[in-house]
Amino acid sequence: DTGVSQNPRHKITKRGQNVTFRCDPISEHNRLYWYRQTLGQGPEFLTYFQNEAQLEKSRLLSDRFSAERPKGSFSTLEIQRTEQGDSAMYLCASSLVSSYNEQFFGPGTRLTVL
Amino acid sequence: KQEVTQIPAALSVPEGENLVLNCSFTDSAIYNLQWFRQDPGKGLTSLLLIQSSQREQTSGRLNASLDKSSGRSTLYIAASQPGDSATYLCAVLGGKLIFGQGTELSVKP
Repeated sequence: DTGVSQNPRHKITKRGQNVTFRCDPISEHNRLYWYRQTLGQGPEFLTYFQNEAQLEKSRLLSDRFSAERPKGSFSTLEIQRTEQGDSAMYLCASSLVSSYNEQFFGPGTRLTVL
Repeated sequence: KQEVTQIPAALSVPEGENLVLNCSFTDSAIYNLQWFRQDPGKGLTSLLLIQSSQREQTSGRLNASLDKSSGRSTLYIAASQPGDSATYLCAVLGGKLIFGQGTELSVKP
């Protein structure tokens, strides 16, 4: 399968715990994006990387959130000290800058904070 | 600040009808516009991408148009089928994708 993959697909955690999600983009794509989607809303941009460089971060990305893409391939999104308001679907997408930045999304990680 | 609005929020049609979903955006300085489909609890599937220099794109029963000057895009679905039932999202790319809230489509057999 050459699509975007995300793991885990579901995560249930208790408030205050740390969680980490992983995204594997389409192999030749140089841009990788993280979005968050709550029920009934469209996805909201969190951050994106071009290769290993993090080029933009949304104000939604508080200091409890950190994202990395250490070798320009897969990326991780960590949430520290989770809060109930962090419950959402976290979506990853990737694109190739030379192909009009058409973004392809993974299946998402559903986070539930109890 | 770019804002994207989709109307209607929900739509129910009988099978076989042709339908139009609407998307409007406030800042015409966009790089491209993408239409996505999302099934419940799933990720997004890219349907069509229209570059800012284009007026429309077609894929099978889907046709998307773009009018940058008026800040509008439409997604036309011909001969709708129950399998088309999903939420349809439009998103504009300036530096990042800005999404509308989606139109939830239900096609009744």
